Amino acid sequence: DARVTQTPRHKVTEMGQEVTMRCQPILGHNTVFWYRQTMMQGLELLAYFRNRAPLDDSGMPKDRFSAEMPDATLATLKIQPSEPRDSAVYFCASGLVPGANGYTFGSGTRLTVV
Amino acid sequence: GENVEQHPSTLSVQEGDSAVIKCTYSDSASNYFPWYKQELGKGPQLIIDIRSNVGEKKDQRIAVTLNKTAKHFSLHITETQPEDSAVYFCAAPRGSYSGGGADGLTFGKGTHLIIQP
Repeated sequence: DARVTQTPRHKVTEMGQEVTMRCQPILGHNTVFWYRQTMMQGLELLAYFRNRAPLDDSGMPKDRFSAEMPDATLATLKIQPSEPRDSAVYFCASGLVPGANGYTFGSGTRLTVV
Repeated sequence: GENVEQHPSTLSVQEGDSAVIKCTYSDSASNYFPWYKQELGKGPQLIIDIRSNVGEKKDQRIAVTLNKTAKHFSLHITETQPEDSAVYFCAAPRGSYSGGGADGLTFGKGTHLIIQP
C-alpha cells in the first residue's frame, strides 16, 4: 500500500531549539496538509499546499512556525524557537484534488518540548 | 467556517453488539463526510466516506448515514470485534468555499470506542 512517510517519529527537544519535521507524500498526490493533534484541541489544520504552492497557513503561529514544500516529494514543518506548548503530535496528510479517495495520513511526529 | 460536533466521547459495547457514533455539522454547503479510525500510536485512517448525493453507504460491517436536512451523519458498526477498539473521528469540509473538502477538513473531537469481550 502507498503510504505517507513522516520523520522523525519522536522528537524531544529543549525550549528554544529549532525543530524540523519532514513528510514524504504519496507519489502523485498534489495536496499536502499539516495537522496538529492535542488532547485539548483535537486535530487542527496548520497549513496546506496544492501543487507545491502554499494555499493557507492561517492555522499556524506565524512568528515561530513555517511550512515549505521544496519539491513534490518533501514537505517540511519548522518551529523556531520551540516552546513547551508546541508539544503535540504533528501529522502530514496527502491526497489528489480533484479526486474521490480522500486523504491519507502519515504516522505522525510526536514532539515533546521540555 | 465549519463546526463539527461528535457524540459520544466514549462508547463501550459488548463484542458482537452494534455501535453508533453521531456527528452534526453547521455548513449546509458541505457535501463530503469522511470517517477516520485512529489506533494507538498511528495516524487517522479513512474507513468510509459519503457524499451528499446519497443517504447511506455500506462497506461490510460499517455503514454511514447522512441527513442533509438535519445536518447530521452517523457511523454504524455491526457485529463489533475487538479490533474495532479505537478512536473514531468524523469530519466535514473546512469552510464554505469548498464543500468537497479540497481545502481541508474540520474534525470532530473523537469517540473512544471500547469493545468489551
